[in-house]
Amino acid sequence: GAVVSQHPSWVICKSGTSVKIECRSLDFQATTMFWYRQFPKQSLMLMATSNEGSKATYEQGVEKDKFLINHASLTLSTLTVTSAHPEDSSFYICSARASTGDYSPLHFGNGTRLTVT
Amino acid sequence: GEDVEQSLFLSVREGDSSVINCTYTDSSSTYLYWYKQEPGAGLQLLTYIFSNMDMKQDQRLTVLLNKKDKHLSLRIADTQTGDSAIYFCAVTDSWGKLQFGAGTQVVVTP
Repeated sequence: GAVVSQHPSWVICKSGTSVKIECRSLDFQATTMFWYRQFPKQSLMLMATSNEGSKATYEQGVEKDKFLINHASLTLSTLTVTSAHPEDSSFYICSARASTGDYSPLHFGNGTRLTVT
Repeated sequence: GEDVEQSLFLSVREGDSSVINCTYTDSSSTYLYWYKQEPGAGLQLLTYIFSNMDMKQDQRLTVLLNKKDKHLSLRIADTQTGDSAIYFCAVTDSWGKLQFGAGTQVVVTP
C-alpha cells in the first residue's frame, strides 16, 4: 500500500520550454503532496507543499512563477517547470502522506530526472 | 531551524552489521524516519520511530533513539550487497515539516 507514482522518470528538454511532472497517489487519497529537489550527492530540498483545491505553499527562495504546482484532485499533483534553463536540471521527487496528520510517514515517488540542454 | 547531521560514508563487509548514526537539534521532533535511496530512484521508507520509544526492531533493522542526546541510529544486521544505497535520516520539525540529513552512503563489500 501507499504507492506514489511519478511520471516521467526522466526528461530532456531544450532551454526555454516547459516541462510537466505528474505525481499520483495510486492507492490512497492525498490532500497534501510535497515536491522536493535533489542535487547530485546532496539531500532533499523541500520546494513546495501542494494542497488539493488551493494554492501551493512555496518555500523561501523558490520562485512560484517558475515552478507551477497544481493539485486538482486528491490523487494528482503536477509540477510544471516553466521556461526551463540548464540550472533547473535536477532530480525532482514528490511525496505524499497516506493518512491525515502532520506526522504520518511520507511516501515518495521514484523521482524525475530533468536535463535541460 | 532543525539541523540533521549524518556521517557521509560507511563501508561494511557483507554479513557484518552496519550502524548509521544521525543527530538532530529540535527536541520537539515527534517522528523520526529512516529512508533508503538507491541510484536514480526515489526514497523508500524503511522504518520510523515515535519519540516516546527507545527502540524499534523490524526484521534486520533496529532503530535506537536517545532523546536526551538527540541521537538516532539505524542498525542493519547481516548486511547484504542489496543494502548498498544512501540512507537518509529525517525528523519532523516544530512546523511538522520533514527535515533530512545529507545522507549516508553505505557500500557493502564482498
